[in-house]
Amino acid sequence: QLQLQESGPGLVKPSETLSLTCTVSGDSISSSGHYWGWIRQSPGKGLEWIGSIYYSGSTYYNPSLKSRVTISVDTSKNQFYLRLSSVTAADTAVYYCARHGEQQVVKHWGQGTLVTVSS
Amino acid sequence: DIQMTQSPSTLSASVGDRVTITCRASQSIRSWLAWYQQKPGKAPRLLISEASSLESGVPSRFSGGGSGTEFTLTISSLQPDDFATYYCQQYHIYPGTFGQGTKVEIK
Repeated sequence: QLQLQESGPGLVKPSETLSLTCTVSGDSISSSGHYWGWIRQSPGKGLEWIGSIYYSGSTYYNPSLKSRVTISVDTSKNQFYLRLSSVTAADTAVYYCARHGEQQVVKHWGQGTLVTVSS
Repeated sequence: DIQMTQSPSTLSASVGDRVTITCRASQSIRSWLAWYQQKPGKAPRLLISEASSLESGVPSRFSGGGSGTEFTLTISSLQPDDFATYYCQQYHIYPGTFGQGTKVEIK
């Protein structure tokens, strides 16, 4: 049974970098046809797609966040990662990791982790 | 980005009611639309993809329709477990974008 679990600091200071890890169990992150993504949800912006990565390292970023986002993968650890730089209060949100196919339909979500940006 | 607009934002209904939520896209997305259900403190759950294709395990009282720019999610007979927030999402053009949500409340 596929499970995704987010982990990382729940509090980040303004202007610093938010870093999250998604640990995948029940499936290989190298499995063909699956993409691994990050989605966030905030009261102000609702659900927002951040970006996705394929196990090969190919990435797709939301243009609105592209200048600040890096998504990477470590197949040996069956994990993928999110880094969001220069955060502000507007980046406060619940961050979800997810698995989807070639189309951005998400059948599998992590439980989500709240990240608050505050000094 | 393609903008997705849901209506209503809040819907008050009783158990047994038939309810319909509308989702409009700012441009044609053909049938590349998904519906999700979200309960407080939980991740969204995929209900429907490709506008009308019910996911495995989703009760048949849920149905989706539409194409192009206008879509609907209908619950034929509202059950206590259905009180939640529902989101539409287009996946025709990257990045997939979501509607603002429709909260279905107990009347």
